[in-house]
Amino acid sequence: DVKVTQSSRYLVKRTGEKVFLECVQDMDHENMFWYRQDPGLGLRLIYFSYDVKMKEKGDIPEGYSVSREKKERFSLILESASTNQTSMYLCASSIRVSGNTIYFGEGSWLTVV
Amino acid sequence: DQQVKQNSPSLSVQEGRISILNCDYTNSMFDYFLWYKKYPAEGPTFLISISSIKDKNEDGRFTVFLNKSAKHLSLHIVPSQPGDSAVYFCAAGRDNTDKLIFGTGTRLQVFP
Repeated sequence: DVKVTQSSRYLVKRTGEKVFLECVQDMDHENMFWYRQDPGLGLRLIYFSYDVKMKEKGDIPEGYSVSREKKERFSLILESASTNQTSMYLCASSIRVSGNTIYFGEGSWLTVV
Repeated sequence: DQQVKQNSPSLSVQEGRISILNCDYTNSMFDYFLWYKKYPAEGPTFLISISSIKDKNEDGRFTVFLNKSAKHLSLHIVPSQPGDSAVYFCAAGRDNTDKLIFGTGTRLQVFP
């Protein structure tokens, strides 16, 4: 079974804080993704990485950065958290085969106060 | 611009009946489509997929239909069970990219 693990399930941070969301997958997948889920907006892609040290912007990258130093680990960084970044963040991974499914972690609920 | 749309935010169905969830898309270049199911406080899990060269794919109680001319796909669940109550997302992708574009989701409630 594919396992995508997000280290923090629930976080509360203050406005302006730097926030790290960590994600690890155990299936040697090339691709890793960060999405956020908001009511009425569905799942929106923040960043995508197809290899170590490679990254590509998704649909809503503003206010976020990512780091992929190792194949199994993909970190999402909020340089200066703002209240509009309160959301559920979902990490996912997949192999580099078109049409293949992506596998999600359980999500991280971030509240910025 | 929303390339994948789920126009019904919610659906309520009686146990044992058919649930039909709909999804429309605007980009005729999509090569495959998927449905994901999400319970509260959990990540989405893959349910079923269909290639753009097919018009139907079936897996147990779940069937996905694709109408390319109408740019429309639907997920049929027969018979519906209370455990099917969840949010369902449709997603679309292209062969030259590993990224998926998701719809806004439809919350299905199956009541006894």
